[in-house]
Amino acid sequence: DSGVTQTPKHLITATGQRVTLRCSPRSGDLSVYWYQQSLDQGLQFLIHYYNGEERAKGNILERFSAQQFPDLHSELNLSSLELGDSALYFCASSVDSGSYNEQFFGPGTRLTVL
Amino acid sequence: AQTVTQSQPEMSVQEAETVTLSCTYDTSESDYYLFWYKQPPSRQMILVIRQEAYKQQNATENRFSVNFQKAAKSFSLKISDSQLGDAAMYFCAYRSLGGAGGSEKLVFGKGTKLTVNP
Repeated sequence: DSGVTQTPKHLITATGQRVTLRCSPRSGDLSVYWYQQSLDQGLQFLIHYYNGEERAKGNILERFSAQQFPDLHSELNLSSLELGDSALYFCASSVDSGSYNEQFFGPGTRLTVL
Repeated sequence: AQTVTQSQPEMSVQEAETVTLSCTYDTSESDYYLFWYKQPPSRQMILVIRQEAYKQQNATENRFSVNFQKAAKSFSLKISDSQLGDAAMYFCAYRSLGGAGGSEKLVFGKGTKLTVNP
């Protein structure tokens, strides 16, 4: 158990819908990262938040957005869902930004868009 | 932008034998970190081993060791005395140092599926 929690574990929805994925980092971790794992694209970085502020964006679609709240938990919002958005979405957290801090991964949320 | 290449989509090894997984990367940075992650069927991402680019000594963690060749931008993983529990997808990953507002995002390779035969 990494100490990072993600809810829900599984999500099945229809095209055009909107969903919210939630991540609670390890206690004391300030950085949260979101990654998408799909069969065709592999593991890709989506976005990084540090202490409530957006630090970096990766290959995140405009239909996707995220935020980190004052209690440091983070949410990834996916809207106007398409079949190709079906993937495993990971959240990872680390203590700080910079230096040699391991990223601890949550168990992931499996999103299926029908 | 940094890229990570794993040229072996699948590998197999006999139990108790040794196997080496390959990884190459491309970067213009001089300092960075490299990682190997294991993803078993449970899908959990587990850190296996890490290497700081400024360290010439290859990292070792029990049965896992790396061969880090900075000039060649190569970072291979050697698993000794392979066990059935080692069967998983293995991902090589690159991470910048970050700092100055930069991000320490991980850049992953496509992965190598390792099968361990009894």
